[in-house]
Amino acid sequence: GEDVEQSLFLSVREGDSSVINCTYTDSSSTYLYWYKQEPGAGLQLLTYIFSNMDMKQDQRLTVLLNKKDKHLSLRIADTQTGDSAIYFCAESRRDSSYKLIFGSGTRLLVRP
Amino acid sequence: DGGITQSPKYLFRKEGQNVTLSCEQNLNHDAMYWYRQDPGQGLRLIYYSQIVNDFQKGDIAEGYSVSREKKESFPLTVTSAQKNPTAFYLCASSRDRGPQPQHFGDGTRLSIL
Repeated sequence: GEDVEQSLFLSVREGDSSVINCTYTDSSSTYLYWYKQEPGAGLQLLTYIFSNMDMKQDQRLTVLLNKKDKHLSLRIADTQTGDSAIYFCAESRRDSSYKLIFGSGTRLLVRP
Repeated sequence: DGGITQSPKYLFRKEGQNVTLSCEQNLNHDAMYWYRQDPGQGLRLIYYSQIVNDFQKGDIAEGYSVSREKKESFPLTVTSAQKNPTAFYLCASSRDRGPQPQHFGDGTRLSIL
């Protein structure tokens, strides 16, 4: 995961928006993914974006992709306490047989 | 409901012992994967299989072995050669070998006695 970077921790107040950032390095990336992991559980696929798109919106989730800067962000609107979890960014590289490369995860804490 | 089932949820290993982690999927997916997760870290790929009777080493395959005799099943054996096996192990599958989203099981936590 050393080629996919994420900040370690984010704390927000309930009802505010959360923005989780990710940078990647490989220009051959095809899809970029956001996963959510709750304590002791597996990874839940939240959303993903194709590398030729700039933005994707799905209910409270908005993904922005800046391909020039290789920067991906996940915005969660109206953040709830149930959104507290670890969020992983992952890239799928064409030149690596589409294996997923994960970041180290961002722990989101939502304060009441 | 279709999904990925990992068992057991918790597993303990004695020194010098091999243990096998089970992963079964009923999604009719061709590709399956095993990852290791250590505290505060992302996922690292151990082995993957893109089709029945074929599998490839990932980034940290040493001390592990797999088999893919059936499409639905991809068991992982943690051998005694793996000197630091304590971790959370996650199994995933995807529809095929292309750029498809991977879907994960709930994981197995392996500890050393």
